[in-house]
Amino acid sequence: AQTVTQSQPEMSVQEAETVTLSCTYDTSESNYYLFWYKQPPSRQMILVIRQEAYKQQNATENRFSVNFQKAAKSFSLKISDSQLGDTAMYFCAFMTIQGGSEKLVFGKGTKLTVNP
Amino acid sequence: DTAVSQTPKYLVTQMGNDKSIKCEQNLGHDTMYWYKQDSKKFLKIMFSYNNKELIINETVPNRFSPKSPDKAHLNLHINSLELGDSAVYFCASSQYRGAGNGYTFGSGTRLTVV
Repeated sequence: AQTVTQSQPEMSVQEAETVTLSCTYDTSESNYYLFWYKQPPSRQMILVIRQEAYKQQNATENRFSVNFQKAAKSFSLKISDSQLGDTAMYFCAFMTIQGGSEKLVFGKGTKLTVNP
Repeated sequence: DTAVSQTPKYLVTQMGNDKSIKCEQNLGHDTMYWYKQDSKKFLKIMFSYNNKELIINETVPNRFSPKSPDKAHLNLHINSLELGDSAVYFCASSQYRGAGNGYTFGSGTRLTVV
């Protein structure tokens, strides 16, 4: 079974600084997808960034980028120039495609607080 | 607005009651899901439907029964509610099954069983 581990239950960062959230996963599959989702206090789940395992290039979305290390099964999220609106729970998630079905498996989340 | 919408947003009910949560998506997606988020914020998949066909059924008690009248709707009915059912329930949808697209989530339904 696939598992996703986020080892940092809580983190904090000063506004405008950079922060990195860690994520590791365990799988025997070779083709899979990785995601970071953000859940602000509003409770809405928002897709932040997506990475295809067969692509070596790290995905970026504006201030958000990932460091994808496939051999190490590591998928960290870097947030640059942190803003107060980045305060949220961040979930790392893993998806495989097997037998025509796909399932998104989440880590336990990291609570990020951006301080003014 | 194109979205995944869930109703109700909040639901407070007594133990033993039966309740339903409705979900609709107007994104044209072919697959829909139910997730449960517990008090520690852990998200776990419950069910997945593709074009009204049940694809994933995790080890969920029989008291939970999903119903998909068409590919745009996936409702969740819960019988004989228990205290442990208190959680936030999220509906989600995705397109192109097998393409590894991310899910679009609804805003969640907070269920409180008293």
